[in-house]
Amino acid sequence: DAGVIQSPRHEVTEMGQEVTLRCKPISGHDYLFWYRQTMMRGLELLIYFNNNVPIDDSGMPEDRFSAKMPNASFSTLKIQPSEPRDSAVYFCASSWDRGRGGTEAFFGQGTRLTVV
Amino acid sequence: AQKITQTQPGMFVQEKEAVTLDCTYDTSDPSYGLFWYKQPSSGEMIFLIYQGSYDQQNATEGRYSLNFQKARKSANLVISASQLGDSAMYFCAMREGSGAGSYQLTFGKGTKLSVIP
Repeated sequence: DAGVIQSPRHEVTEMGQEVTLRCKPISGHDYLFWYRQTMMRGLELLIYFNNNVPIDDSGMPEDRFSAKMPNASFSTLKIQPSEPRDSAVYFCASSWDRGRGGTEAFFGQGTRLTVV
Repeated sequence: AQKITQTQPGMFVQEKEAVTLDCTYDTSDPSYGLFWYKQPSSGEMIFLIYQGSYDQQNATEGRYSLNFQKARKSANLVISASQLGDSAMYFCAMREGSGAGSYQLTFGKGTKLSVIP
């Protein structure tokens, strides 16, 4: 398996523009997570899905952020409109239920977003 | 209160020496899991090792071992025989609970390890 695949790797956009980040989880994984990493706040969970259903979106900063998972092999994180404070590295991760609860999350390479 | 505390922002270790990276956690859930991840300068997050709260023995994976002290709520990572390629940020993380709604990880702030030749 190729691992978790994120695109694009880098994105530079102007304030006010819509940004869409994409993720393909590892085949067979039924959990998908979106994290954001900044120097100030570290790694924060934004939202996660189980079997394509959003379970917890309490980490989504505000209504400008939305995430979807239309099927088991694809998810998007959208920011509309984008703001400079959204600049961060966004990670997608996936995992599965091994039955003992000790399942590690496998991370994608991340998308480095810069909003100017 | 922070759920995961890593008190060492930066650490230095001589090549071939062992190093311990500290992690303490806070939870009232009897079922939890503790994880360590490595983030090299290239940015990816690499899973290293896992310890479950009910595991009787400390986890080991090659040169990595986890010193799990449940009563102290600590889960320190020990890297033996450090190599230059171990220079990276190291994150401790925790998953609380064991049900379907408990698979998210909470991360500490990280420790930057520098291996000196």
